[in-house]
Amino acid sequence: KQEVTQIPAALSVPEGENLVLNCSFTDSAIYNLQWFRQDPGKGLTSLLLIQSSQREQTSGRLNASLDKSSGRSTLYIAASQPGDSATYLCGAFQGGSEKLVFGKGTKLTVNP
Amino acid sequence: DAGVIQSPRHEVTEMGQEVTLRCKPISGHDYLFWYRQTMMRGLELLIYFNNNVPIDDSGMPEDRFSAKMPNASFSTLKIQPSEPRDSAVYFCASRGLVYNEQFFGPGTRLTVL
Repeated sequence: KQEVTQIPAALSVPEGENLVLNCSFTDSAIYNLQWFRQDPGKGLTSLLLIQSSQREQTSGRLNASLDKSSGRSTLYIAASQPGDSATYLCGAFQGGSEKLVFGKGTKLTVNP
Repeated sequence: DAGVIQSPRHEVTEMGQEVTLRCKPISGHDYLFWYRQTMMRGLELLIYFNNNVPIDDSGMPEDRFSAKMPNASFSTLKIQPSEPRDSAVYFCASRGLVYNEQFFGPGTRLTVL
């Protein structure tokens, strides 16, 4: 059974700082991993999807990496801005299934 | 291009009442997912459909919960009877056409008094 952990639960940084959010999963037989952001009272917005055959994906200031052998994914945010403040969730697909298993998320606050 | 649409956005009801949540997936998507989010348990998958057929309902908490997908553009999640512990935000998501990417709706915040 896939289990996903995100550390830290909360992170506060000054504007302009580069930062890394971590996601670990127990079942390395995943075939995709997806990062989302969730603003308070809102739904989830898809940020990046990494296929199992890929090691990383980039979109603007975001870069996500995937290391299946170690059971880890990281989301790198460059030059953080106050608008990046949100909760970031990673979801790992359970092997052989369409089910996404989510971590509890990292609440990011970027201070002006 | 409209995203996933859910209604109602907020629902307040009394214990014992029937609650019906609605979802319209993105046109052309062949998978639809229902999730529940609470502070204690985070985001959990309840059930998912492929081509309108329920594939995995192992996350449905009790027989009080049921879900249907009568056609490719509409799904319902019903709770009967509702209980205070059902209070949560319920999300619907549909799968993209490429690479299994899931897209979420805005959610329905359910409060059972």
